[in-house]
Amino acid sequence: ETGVTQTPRHLVMGMTNKKSLKCEQHLGHNAMYWYKQSAKKPLELMFVYSLEERVENNSVPSRFSPECPNSSHLFLHLHTLQPEDSALYLCASSQVAKGGNEQFFGPGTRLTVL
Amino acid sequence: AQSVTQLDSQVPVFEEAPVELRCNYSSSVSVYLFWYVQYPNQGLQLLLKYLSGSTLVKGINGFEAEFNKSQTSFHLRKPSVHISDTAEYFCAATGSGNTGKLIFGQGTTLQVKP
Repeated sequence: ETGVTQTPRHLVMGMTNKKSLKCEQHLGHNAMYWYKQSAKKPLELMFVYSLEERVENNSVPSRFSPECPNSSHLFLHLHTLQPEDSALYLCASSQVAKGGNEQFFGPGTRLTVL
Repeated sequence: AQSVTQLDSQVPVFEEAPVELRCNYSSSVSVYLFWYVQYPNQGLQLLLKYLSGSTLVKGINGFEAEFNKSQTSFHLRKPSVHISDTAEYFCAATGSGNTGKLIFGQGTTLQVKP
């Protein structure tokens, strides 16, 4: 595997389910990010992890719970979601020490909440 | 606060015509600037970036962008578009702090017509 991978690619869940999204980066980066992309809306930055420490949480509801067990893996745990949480969830990584802060994105998980 | 504004939400253009997608940023400090492309049901892919040096930056797929500090702009151009260029385009700038955070514009949908 190369770059940034995300699983699953598609997920349908009920409002009472618990599920997790997984992201893995194979680039040796030290920062990882979760974004939410809804139809007709700009990208929303949800969480930032730098050196495995959560450094930003943009007023995301507690039904979204991130976890970063090491610098290569990032999870987004989901529980009791609402239909308005249906969106494309994108993971990205970057090497913050270098200039430029270029982010590399995964293909996303298309989440549908029924 | 830093912000990135993409002035056009949709840009329709005929195949083989030139195109310009506009982006303005606001920042009181030096920034790095990026253009990303997103094809349907995929993640974001880096087209090009400006870090320093020459203000004309060349990217993949024949795209280029010009950094204009006095006008705080970073417009994306292509002299002749193809049907395959139909996609969503995002301009981004480095955010504050040292987390590698990027500030994204709202996106511009490029629709190339035959």
